[in-house]
Amino acid sequence: EPEVTQTPSHQVTQMGQEVILRCVPISNHLYFYWYRQILGQKVEFLVSFYNNEISEKSEIFDDQFSVERPDGSNFTLKIRSTKLEDSAMYFCASNRGTISRRETQYFGPGTRLLVL
Amino acid sequence: TQLLEQSPQFLSIQEGENLTVYCNSSSVFSSLQWYRQEPGEGPVLLVTVVTGGEVKKLKRLTFQFGDARKDSSLHITAAQPGDTGLYLCASLSSGTYKYIFGTGTRLKVLA
Repeated sequence: EPEVTQTPSHQVTQMGQEVILRCVPISNHLYFYWYRQILGQKVEFLVSFYNNEISEKSEIFDDQFSVERPDGSNFTLKIRSTKLEDSAMYFCASNRGTISRRETQYFGPGTRLLVL
Repeated sequence: TQLLEQSPQFLSIQEGENLTVYCNSSSVFSSLQWYRQEPGEGPVLLVTVVTGGEVKKLKRLTFQFGDARKDSSLHITAAQPGDTGLYLCASLSSGTYKYIFGTGTRLKVLA
């Protein structure tokens, strides 16, 4: 069964450093997402991406964040200058983008980011 | 902004007991998903409900969607230690493909 994959599974970085989190969505999916989950808290939407541009973003997704689909398979989240509060589990998700209310998003296993 | 409230927040029960967790919103859901998340992993979809009053069964799990599509419940019969995890409800925010997640119910089933 196709699945969303993410790399790395864990990343430790120093405050102020740039990180790039990588995702490979399911191949025939058209919509891509990043979510984050701070330890012990709920899953929060960051950004959605369709047709090579951001379609929606949350207030969390400020100028320090950017997303890119550099080729036909990868979808990346870049944090330019990490802060301590960026420490979280980051999930990538994708879906086909039909109009059905039964639309399912498939989540990757996540990247655990720790900012020191 | 649509908010999803889940209750209870934490639940610790003995193996073999039954339990129900709830997901409520002030707004009408277009559809509702239930996920289970295990520590260090991504949410895994259990079920999607769409129609008001809909009931779906997945082995020992029964999912119900309220008639008015503003609430949902998950009932587990004869819970097992393997049911331990974080149960999340989620809904597509109206007119978008953005998922709004509930606050979660953390279930622990003791052997």
